[in-house]
Amino acid sequence: DGGITQSPKYLFRKEGQNVTLSCEQNLNHDAMYWYRQDPGQGLRLIYYSQIVNDFQKGDIAEGYSVSREKKESFPLTVTSAQKNPTAFYLCATSGSGANVLTFGAGSRLTVL
Amino acid sequence: QKEVEQDPGPLSVPEGAIVSLNCTYSNSAFQYFMWYRQYSRKGPELLMYTYSSGNKEDGRFTAQVDKSSKYISLFIRDSQPSDSATYLCAMESQAGTALIFGKGTTLSVSS
Repeated sequence: DGGITQSPKYLFRKEGQNVTLSCEQNLNHDAMYWYRQDPGQGLRLIYYSQIVNDFQKGDIAEGYSVSREKKESFPLTVTSAQKNPTAFYLCATSGSGANVLTFGAGSRLTVL
Repeated sequence: QKEVEQDPGPLSVPEGAIVSLNCTYSNSAFQYFMWYRQYSRKGPELLMYTYSSGNKEDGRFTAQVDKSSKYISLFIRDSQPSDSATYLCAMESQAGTALIFGKGTTLSVSS
């Protein structure tokens, strides 16, 4: 996993429930990202953060929220407002000024 | 027109074949080009990185960028069953901005 830990690996949720996916890194990277991957859709950016206490919306931020209180952590909350939350969620990091992403192993969320 | 287009495949080849994977793009400002490999149920891993136009070779893998045609390629020589994965192209206009990914091409190499 290259120093990025995502948990849980698999998660089942009932409709209407919020769920938080964890992403922790020990690479000392400044930037952190959340992507969503669906079959045939590629990777779509949800949120990203380049420094602590600051983050920006990506292409599909609706129904998601994030926080960046520590450099090492960038949790993603999938809220009940997200209409199609079943997907594979990937956290990634990059060093300062760099454009190469290191990915975690992913979290697979299934809404029942 | 999407910013990055990539044929999803699937692409099936016999062991030892030469594989060509391609992406086209519309944004002429893209300067950084990457190929990631993703095994099933895993996160993507960086395979090749190229800045601007030209070729880059690493073992059995060669990445080509043709900015005039807005076209990038990844060639795999002497393909192996272990090369069976999804290959994602990615690109961006300047360092530190968010990457734009293609949808990925699924490759299967049979022994």
